[in-house]
Amino acid sequence: AQTVTQSQPEMSVQEAETVTLSCTYDTSENNYYLFWYKQPPSRQMILVIRQEAYKQQNATENRFSVNFQKAAKSFSLKISDSQLGDTAMYFCASLSPSGNTGKLIFGQGTTLQVKP
Amino acid sequence: DAGVIQSPRHEVTEMGQEVTLRCKPISGHNSLFWYRQTMMRGLELLIYFNNNVPIDDSGMPEDRFSAKMPNASFSTLKIQPSEPRDSAVYFCASTPGRNTGELFFGEGSRLTVL
Repeated sequence: AQTVTQSQPEMSVQEAETVTLSCTYDTSENNYYLFWYKQPPSRQMILVIRQEAYKQQNATENRFSVNFQKAAKSFSLKISDSQLGDTAMYFCASLSPSGNTGKLIFGQGTTLQVKP
Repeated sequence: DAGVIQSPRHEVTEMGQEVTLRCKPISGHNSLFWYRQTMMRGLELLIYFNNNVPIDDSGMPEDRFSAKMPNASFSTLKIQPSEPRDSAVYFCASTPGRNTGELFFGEGSRLTVL
């Protein structure tokens, strides 16, 4: 069974600084995908970044990057130059494809507060 | 594109009443997911459909919960009878089904059962 663990319930960072959110996962699959989703106060979940497990290169999306350590089953999210709009709950998630789809399993979430 | 549309946004009901939550996925998406979010349990996958067929309903809490997808553009999640512990935000999400893993979420339905 897939599990995703986020051990930091809450974090804060000063505007313009860098913050790293932690995530560990467990899966018996060889082929899987990892994600970070953002849930702002408006409640709607938005995809931040995606990593294919077979790719060694860490995914990057503008100010967001990941540190994917496959052997350690670790998948942290780094937010550089934090902005007030980054304040949200962040969820780490994993997907093991099955056919054309598969189940996306989420961690417990980390609430990030960006302070001015 | 209008995105995933859920209704109602908010519902307050009394214990024992039937609740029906509705979802319209993004046109062309052939996989649909129902999630429940609570403070205690986080985001839980309840059920998902592929091409209108339920693939995995192992997350459905109990027989009081049922979900249907009669066609590609509509799904319902029904709770009958509702209980206070069902209070949560229920999200619907859809995906093109090309195994990208990117889910497109609706804004959720906040259910309060008194």
